[in-house]
Amino acid sequence: SQQGEEDPQALSIQEGENATMNCSYKTSINNLQWYRQNSGRGLVHLILIRSNEREKHSGRLRVTLDTSKKSSSLLITASRAADTASYFCATDAIAGNMLTFGGGTRLMVKP
Amino acid sequence: DVKVTQSSRYLVKRTGEKVFLECVQDMDHENMFWYRQDPGLGLRLIYFSYDVKMKEKGDIPEGYSVSREKKERFSLILESASTNQTSMYLCASRTARYLNTEAFFGQGTRLTVV
Repeated sequence: SQQGEEDPQALSIQEGENATMNCSYKTSINNLQWYRQNSGRGLVHLILIRSNEREKHSGRLRVTLDTSKKSSSLLITASRAADTASYFCATDAIAGNMLTFGGGTRLMVKP
Repeated sequence: DVKVTQSSRYLVKRTGEKVFLECVQDMDHENMFWYRQDPGLGLRLIYFSYDVKMKEKGDIPEGYSVSREKKERFSLILESASTNQTSMYLCASRTARYLNTEAFFGQGTRLTVV
């Protein structure tokens, strides 16, 4: 079964706007990771947040983690057309060494 | 840079054929993964290997097997391909030497079973 579930499934915004994606998960985790996938390609790692962290920044990316609610959010600020892609959260469960992905959010940034 | 290479970008096979998808990584990673990706379903884990000859079933192992005879190579085998195995297959690897590490993905193999 899917560990992470992203919301919304699809998001369309104008260039310059902020994009927020959410992820919910079910079990206890070591960390939560966000990945990006350009159309038809492999996934690329964006950012990792550990279970004892609440917020992390990397460039225009901001990730939050609320372990009490088992949820995370990814914020992309000042979006660009080149940010158009699918974004996935992945959970690294405490039990075992597997990375489990959610269904993804398809982001379209219109120029 | 870590490189994960999948043997084919596109593959067309006939129903009933035995299909091998190969994945090679060049960073001496202990963990390797096979996922399949379908529209609306995200990535689902098929199999995971944490060492040579060691494997664990993921969420959807039925109809698949795997082989890890060497640390750098992880093969996904479809014993008798069926049309419902038409999908994008993604291989990934990561180190197990410490916690909280990212995975590196191959470019994907789009398999069509006709």
